[in-house]
This record gives sequence, structure tokens and C-alpha cells, in this order.
Amino acid sequence: SQTIHQWPATLVQPVGSPLSLECTVEGTSNPNLYWYRQAAGRGLQLLFYSVGIGQISSEVPQNLSASRPQDRQFILSSKKLLLSDSGFYLCACGSSYEQYFGPGTRLTVT
Amino acid sequence: QKEVEQNSGPLSVPEGAIASLNCTYSDRGSQSFFWYRQYSGKSPELIMFIYSNGDKEDGRFTAQLNKASQYVSLLIRDSQPSDSATYLCAPSTNMNSGYSTLTFGKGTMLLVSP
Repeated sequence: SQTIHQWPATLVQPVGSPLSLECTVEGTSNPNLYWYRQAAGRGLQLLFYSVGIGQISSEVPQNLSASRPQDRQFILSSKKLLLSDSGFYLCACGSSYEQYFGPGTRLTVT
Repeated sequence: QKEVEQNSGPLSVPEGAIASLNCTYSDRGSQSFFWYRQYSGKSPELIMFIYSNGDKEDGRFTAQLNKASQYVSLLIRDSQPSDSATYLCAPSTNMNSGYSTLTFGKGTMLLVSP
């Protein structure tokens, strides 16, 4: 079974600063990868998904972007953070019948 | 707009009882359904996956799906205090594509008292 790593675990960033969150997966090859965000008082929201290297699909218009430079690496970025970007960012991996989440990164934008 | 509705709770049940968690969804194209458990401050854990109408059992958990009514539920038998968590329902419309883009409800908080 796969293991999902995310870092950092927690992050406090000022408004307008850049962001880079990393997700790596072990124990599987050519995984489907996903980025979700869970904001306070809101449900988990799918941000991006990728079915292969360099293939990124965006679900929600954001000031966020995603990249997949390697098979098992998925990166979430922003050039300028907004207060509304605060939340719990979760990377997930899985097929059409299972999807597992990493431990998450808790981001606070101040 | 895809909507997933869950009663926010908390749903309080005594230890040993059956907990029933419900979820309705608006997208008739939803083909498969995931149930997750999320402890406070932690990431969601996959409990069940169901795509056929009817019941699917796994240990103390039973998922029930009725696509005609756009309704999916999760029953937890012999509830334990360790089951106290938020339960998330997530339909998917991509079952035949090899991946799943999930739309989540806000979840139902379950409290199991000893």
C-alpha cells in the first residue's frame, strides 16, 4: 500500500507571500494525485488533480497552481497568498474506487 | 452546482448502539460513493466505498445506497467511544475513468458516550 508524505506539517505565512507545499508518494507508481483544501466551516474542496507527470486539471479557479514534476511528487504553489487561502491542505492518492489522504499541511495566512 | 447534504450533528448515541449517518446528493451523474472518518485535527480515513444500489457491509460498518432517491447512508453497529469523529460523505462521477474527483459534504459529527 502507498504512503503519502506532506510537508511542512504546519505553516504560518503573511498575506502576499509565496507558497510551496509538497506531496510525495511511496509504494506505488503512476498514481493519481489530488490536492484538497478544508477551510474552517467548509467541506473538503478539490483543488487540482493529476493522472500523470505534467498533467494537471484544475477544479476551482484560485490564485493557486499545481505541478507534477515527477511521477510521485505533487506540488501546490501560490505567488501571493490571500487571507482566504488559510486552511488544511490535503494531498490524496488513489483510483476510482479508493482514495487515501496524506497527513495534511495546516496553513495560516496572517 | 454539485451539492452534498449531511446533518452537521452532533449525533449522540450511547456505547453499543447503532449510529445512522445520512447523506443526500444533487448530482444524478454520481456513480460511486465514499465514506470517510475524520478525527479532529487529522486527515480523513477511508471507511467504505460503494457503487451498487443496496447494502455493503464491512465489519461494523454498513453502507446503503439508493441512487433513485439520491441517498446514501452509513450504519455503525456496536458504536464505540473511539468512533466519535466527523463522518464525511463524498460522491464521485468518474468511476469509469480510473480516478475519482470527490465532492464532499461538510460531515456529521458523531459522539458516542460510554
